[in-house]
Amino acid sequence: QSVLTQPPSVSAAPGQKVTISCSGSSSNIGNNYVSWYQQLPGTAPKLLIYENNKRPSGIPDRFSGSKSGTSATLGITGLQTGDEADYYCGTWDSSLSAFYVFGTGTKVTVL
Amino acid sequence: QVQLVQSGAEVKKPGASVKVSCKVSGYTLTELSMHWVRQAPGKGLEWMGGFDPEDGETIYAQKFQGRVTMTEDTSTDTAYMELSSLRSEDTAVYYCATFLEPVGPDSFDIWGQGTMVTVSS
Repeated sequence: QSVLTQPPSVSAAPGQKVTISCSGSSSNIGNNYVSWYQQLPGTAPKLLIYENNKRPSGIPDRFSGSKSGTSATLGITGLQTGDEADYYCGTWDSSLSAFYVFGTGTKVTVL
Repeated sequence: QVQLVQSGAEVKKPGASVKVSCKVSGYTLTELSMHWVRQAPGKGLEWMGGFDPEDGETIYAQKFQGRVTMTEDTSTDTAYMELSSLRSEDTAVYYCATFLEPVGPDSFDIWGQGTMVTVSS
């Protein structure tokens, strides 16, 4: 099981805002950059946020990331039907030996 | 731009091995740090291992130690992931993934299309 905990699901109406939390520990989020990925059904994950709050080229500013202590948050504003997907946080963990860990995943539903 | 193209779906029997390939185009494999991630049906993402550029070695998730081998053929810019002693729980989509600057080694911004591996008797 993952060491990064996310809510199983969040939902909101089109145009509204949702936030997704990612809770970890000092061995992962507390001392490493956090990334966020979007996975549409049947497709490979897509990077939305890197280094806690940076957006790769082509990612709209409706997506934002933040980190505080051992938790991180993804925000999506102006929710669109095309945002309906699974979202995962990810970071390195250095508790024993270094390994990359993904969050448990959150399903975003646009009502 | 870099593209990762993976080999096709595989069906294997329990106890067998599978070798998935990931062909790089647009860059050479030596310019990239390749990682492998899998996703069982209806489940989340699971990192299996990848190349650590700081140490110059491939690191594996503890869960797969002894069962997985990640190799590279730089002459064809193709990365490989071989998983042995397959069991039904290994049924999953396997992805290769990497990163390019400005995205650093803490994220994966380039992904292959995925390879479905089914383990069934």
